[in-house]
Amino acid sequence: DVKVTQSSRYLVKRTGEKVFLECVQDMDHENMFWYRQDPGLGLRLIYFSYDVKMKEKGDIPEGYSVSREKKERFSLILESASTNQTSMYLCASSLPFLGGETQYFGPGTRLLVL
Amino acid sequence: GIQVEQSPPDLILQEGANSTLRCNFSDSVNNLQWFHQNPWGQLINLFYIPSGTKQNGRLSATTVATERYSLLYISSSQTTDSGVYFCAVSSGGSNYKLTFGKGTLLTVNP
Repeated sequence: DVKVTQSSRYLVKRTGEKVFLECVQDMDHENMFWYRQDPGLGLRLIYFSYDVKMKEKGDIPEGYSVSREKKERFSLILESASTNQTSMYLCASSLPFLGGETQYFGPGTRLLVL
Repeated sequence: GIQVEQSPPDLILQEGANSTLRCNFSDSVNNLQWFHQNPWGQLINLFYIPSGTKQNGRLSATTVATERYSLLYISSSQTTDSGVYFCAVSSGGSNYKLTFGKGTLLTVNP
């Protein structure tokens, strides 16, 4: 079974802090994703990576950056956390896109920025 | 970009009842997936179904691509079916870039 793990289930940070959210997958997937989920808005794509050191912006990249130094690990970085970044963050991974590729999700990190 | 609308937004059932969830989308799609998010937040893929019909146990899904909608059927619902059901689609050249609907919150009471 594919396993996607995230470093924390719950995280509390203060405004202005630099925050790192880590995601690791164990199935050698090329693609990895970061989403945020907010009530009434569904999931929105922040960043996508299709290979080591490769990334593409999603729909809401402002205020975030990412790092992918190893294939199995994809990090989301909040350079200076703000209260409007309080949210549920979900990481996902998948095989390359040939049609029909399922995205496998981690358990999520609930981030509270005070 | 493509718009995704799911209905109903909320649904309450008694155990054993059947239900139909709907997903309408505004453009042709090359990828459509249904997901279930359990009450603890874990998202699980149910179906990849850009067209046609698929079944998996008590769940089945049908997508009529020409009419731009998809239906998820849940039969003989169980309390473990509770959670949020999301439809997600992509179109054009970016078949990785899923656009999610806002979901249907299903509550199955014993």
